Amino acid sequence: QVQLQESGPGLVKPSETLSLTCAVSGYSISSGYYWGWIRQPPGKGLEWIGSIYHSGSTYYNPSLKSRVTISVDTSKNQFSLKLSSVTAADTAVYYCARDLLIVVVAATPGSGYFDYWGQGTLVTVSS
Amino acid sequence: QSALTQPASVSGSPGQSITISCTGTSSDVGGYNYVSWYQQHPGKAPKLMIYDVSNRPSGVSNRFSGSKSGNTASLTISGLQAEDEADYYCSSYTSSSTYVVFGGGTKLTVL
Repeated sequence: QVQLQESGPGLVKPSETLSLTCAVSGYSISSGYYWGWIRQPPGKGLEWIGSIYHSGSTYYNPSLKSRVTISVDTSKNQFSLKLSSVTAADTAVYYCARDLLIVVVAATPGSGYFDYWGQGTLVTVSS
Repeated sequence: QSALTQPASVSGSPGQSITISCTGTSSDVGGYNYVSWYQQHPGKAPKLMIYDVSNRPSGVSNRFSGSKSGNTASLTISGLQAEDEADYYCSSYTSSSTYVVFGGGTKLTVL
């Protein structure tokens, strides 16, 4: 069974960089699928951050693109998120998930669905 | 403001059926059959319940069903049970540059 587990600091200071890692077990990242990060501010809805393929191909949310870097380490079967210059608005539960990329003729690729999710990790931005 | 519009809340009694709507545009819900639905219990991760408008992943109860008409997708839960009380989010592929769009979520209360 596919399992994902997020890890990283639960508290980050404003203007610093948030760093999280998602360890995948039960499935090799190199076997396919994209792998994504989604966040959920307290009491609010879901926001997609970005997704990565094992080759390193990435897609980012345009509203966060200037601050986001997602990378993959196939040797460790994990992928990571870095979000720079954080503010209180970045306080959220961060989830990693397996992402089925949809490629449509004459349109930009996008997500079909996220089928396996990590348990989530709360990251608070505060001094 | 979310890209897909869902009612903030719905409610129903045990055994009844409820439907949650999810309205988008021709660039997402109306244009493609890539609508998915997620169930989220408090403090838990979202769980995929429906994908590709009406398909259920293995292990999801057949009390959950999905459909679409025009720019609006719907999730129907029949035979409501107390354990169905949760937040439900719709999502769709989008041909815009935003990759994926989510609804704002609907809180289901089982009376």
